[in-house]
Amino acid sequence: SAVISQKPSRDICQRGTSLTIQCQVDSQVTMMFWYRQQPGQSLTLIATANQGSEATYESGFVIDKFPISRPNLTFSTLTVSNMSPEDSSIYLCSVNLYGYTFGSGTRLTVV
Amino acid sequence: QKEVEQDPGPLSVPEGAIVSLNCTYSNSAFQYFMWYRQYSRKGPELLMYTYSSGNKEDGRFTAQVDKSSKYISLFIRDSQPSDSATYLCAMRWTQGGSEKLVFGKGTKLTVNP
Repeated sequence: SAVISQKPSRDICQRGTSLTIQCQVDSQVTMMFWYRQQPGQSLTLIATANQGSEATYESGFVIDKFPISRPNLTFSTLTVSNMSPEDSSIYLCSVNLYGYTFGSGTRLTVV
Repeated sequence: QKEVEQDPGPLSVPEGAIVSLNCTYSNSAFQYFMWYRQYSRKGPELLMYTYSSGNKEDGRFTAQVDKSSKYISLFIRDSQPSDSATYLCAMRWTQGGSEKLVFGKGTKLTVNP
């Protein structure tokens, strides 16, 4: 399976600011997935990032709020923009390489 | 009705007990069924991965799928304190070139020494 490095592991941010989360994979993959894990809720897919094309967003998630970059086959970033306390959550990237593997997550607290 | 239902627990058992974790689902389009283990402050770790109805065994873990009832289970035999974690069921959905995992809320398990 793939090894995923995600950073930062945690951050505390002021409302109204933005945070960019990085995801690095040790293998080339076509799709990279970004999920959100809110307290007491299911892991939910935010968007799928393909190299060389616009990310595909799930219902309830928009590009202006969660812009994604996918510059190559091993790297992606997710930005959480204009943050509010409701964005406090764990954000995880994932790839499907011999099974769906997840990074260790970014624990975001917005104050 | 949520697509995947999972009892969040918490579930507390003595060491050595057999643990049964379950999920039900409503979408017949789900093809692959997975169980993840998530320790506190860690990402989910894939435990088991099955496609067809029936049982799949890996060491102390057995995954069971019943597609006719839309019901999946994970059994842990001889449970250990190190098994204490949150267990997530997940199901793969695909359509055209799109794919995603749909998760249950997770069941928090504590195995007491």
